[in-house]
Amino acid sequence: DIQMTQSPSSLSASVGDRVTITCRASQSISTYLNWYQQKAGKAPNLLIYGASSLQSGVPSRFSGSGSGTDFTLTIKSLQPEDFATYYCQQSYSSLSTFGQGTRLEIK
Amino acid sequence: QVQLQESGPGLVKPSQTLSLTCTVSRGSISSADYYWSWIRHHPGKGLELIGFIYFSGSTYYNPSLQSRVTMSVDTSKDQFSLNLSSVTAADTAIYYCARRIAARLNYFDYWGQGTLVTVSS
Repeated sequence: DIQMTQSPSSLSASVGDRVTITCRASQSISTYLNWYQQKAGKAPNLLIYGASSLQSGVPSRFSGSGSGTDFTLTIKSLQPEDFATYYCQQSYSSLSTFGQGTRLEIK
Repeated sequence: QVQLQESGPGLVKPSQTLSLTCTVSRGSISSADYYWSWIRHHPGKGLELIGFIYFSGSTYYNPSLQSRVTMSVDTSKDQFSLNLSSVTAADTAIYYCARRIAARLNYFDYWGQGTLVTVSS
């Protein structure tokens, strides 16, 4: 299985801050990397696919980058509704695997 | 836009079979563009792909669960189902159904709200 490791596991930030979350794959996955946001009690919501493509309807303050084994999700200017848990997911193999999540909390 | 909704018992006894159904609305399960997936989220842990099924009935199962998983699809009802046999407490989780793009560049673009299944006597 391809292991996905996110860092940090939790993060405190303020409204207006720029935040970066990283995701590392245990082997090269090209750009087959997706990012999801999950709020408490809700299903995950797709933000970024193919490492850097913004899903329709997702605000442009979200962006993704990377290829191979190292990827980042950046939120340019945090809004109150962005405080949630974020997951990366590799779709390089049929057995998609997810990172353990990064919990973004209000400072 | 497409909507997915899980249904099934919220409590299952150990050693029994967990059975869930996902109903797809505002879209057809018979589209060649998608796989229909089951994903679970253990409390305090990450997300785990259980498997997915195509409208034709072809399936992919997570190798770690393969011996216990069966998925089926009913195109006449726009539903697909999950059976997980011989459950234990380790199968307690929130179970989601989700739509996966059927392409090399794939992702889960629509999800059900999730249903908590507890395994307990």
